[in-house]
Amino acid sequence: GIQVEQSPPDLILQEGANSTLRCNFSDSVNNLQWFHQNPWGQLINLFYIPSGTKQNGRLSATTVATERYSLLYISSSQTTDSGVYFCAAYNQAGTALIFGKGTTLSVSS
Amino acid sequence: NAGVTQTPKFQVLKTGQSMTLQCAQDMNHNSMYWYRQDPGMGLRLIYYSASEGTTDKGEVPNGYNVSRLNKREFSLRLESAAPSQTSVYFCATTRGLGETQYFGPGTRLLVL
Repeated sequence: GIQVEQSPPDLILQEGANSTLRCNFSDSVNNLQWFHQNPWGQLINLFYIPSGTKQNGRLSATTVATERYSLLYISSSQTTDSGVYFCAAYNQAGTALIFGKGTTLSVSS
Repeated sequence: NAGVTQTPKFQVLKTGQSMTLQCAQDMNHNSMYWYRQDPGMGLRLIYYSASEGTTDKGEVPNGYNVSRLNKREFSLRLESAAPSQTSVYFCATTRGLGETQYFGPGTRLLVL
């Protein structure tokens, strides 16, 4: 089945810095989502991005489906950006999201 | 409009006890899912329900049963809890298969 790998596993930033998180997937996917899990454990949808580029405030994401990767950009990071960022891709049947292990981001002031 | 709600928020069980985790959504979505999240891991699918009246196994279904009670509600039952089922359980919903998933706040379960 499809495999999803994220890098880096951990990232430590000073407030105001920019960062890029990467997600590689082993097979062609029809769709991909990025989530932020905050320190309280809540999973928050960031992007549903099967291909192309989307932006939402300081966050943007790009998926290049033909090359099997997606990138999440965080600009001018804030302490509230801390948490774990997951990417997830649907299996071929579209019945389940397959999650990567996440990137843990710590932003200090 | 609460989105996806889960009860309870936290539960402690002894090995062998049973319990049911409840999930309800007010988004009028057709598909619902149960995932578990273990430390340092992403989420893994336990069961899903593509539409009212149907349920199917996911990646890790052993030790669990589900009921799609109606369009709004999808419950997860542990018949005889084991320490290996200590985890955080998330319910999710989508308008249809393959679409954007929306997650509930999670239930933290500790099995002693």
